[in-house]
Amino acid sequence: DGGITQSPKYLFRKEGQNVTLSCEQNLNHDAMYWYRQDPGQGLRLIYYSQIVNDFQKGDIAEGYSVSREKKESFPLTVTSAQKNPTALNLCASSIFGTDYNEQFFGPGTRLTVL
Amino acid sequence: GENVEQHPSTLSVQEGDSAVIKCTYSDSASNYFPWYKQELGKGPQLIIDIRSNVGEKKDQRIAVTLNKTAKHFSLHITETQPEDSAVYFCAASEGGGADGLTFGKGTHLIIQP
Repeated sequence: DGGITQSPKYLFRKEGQNVTLSCEQNLNHDAMYWYRQDPGQGLRLIYYSQIVNDFQKGDIAEGYSVSREKKESFPLTVTSAQKNPTALNLCASSIFGTDYNEQFFGPGTRLTVL
Repeated sequence: GENVEQHPSTLSVQEGDSAVIKCTYSDSASNYFPWYKQELGKGPQLIIDIRSNVGEKKDQRIAVTLNKTAKHFSLHITETQPEDSAVYFCAASEGGGADGLTFGKGTHLIIQP
């Protein structure tokens, strides 16, 4: 999975609880991304960050928050405001600043609401 | 924003035959079109990509074609093998992928022995 580590592999959340998903990369990539994958659906962009201490909302950012304090790390917090959090959450990274930016994905964290 | 349509949702072919998956996109400014393969329990893996200044690209048994006028691109897999069974996703991006990718909904490719 290209040097991208996501933990845990499975995560269970109770109603009203916030949870944080970890994503770490050792590829020296500047840009990092979070996508959500629902069954039978393509991947949808939640948040992305092109440099440390800066991030942008994607198409479905509501109910999620992120931070980018280190180049290697881009944790995603799923808040209680996320109405349907059960999904596979995928982290990706890429070089930034070239014309085309190949994204490499981690194995994902599967989040289930109990 | 960009919208990517992918067809078919499921494709079953005999081992050794060819498989073709088609995608259309809506944003004429899109310039980067990667294809990903996702096996069960794993994250997507980039298998090939094409850029807007190229009409066709080939890598062994895999090829991708791009028609910018019609705004569609296709993945071609020849001499299919059992290990080609997986879900395949197409994607498109305006900024070369820097601002994230817009994905199709995926094609489940089944290789029949």
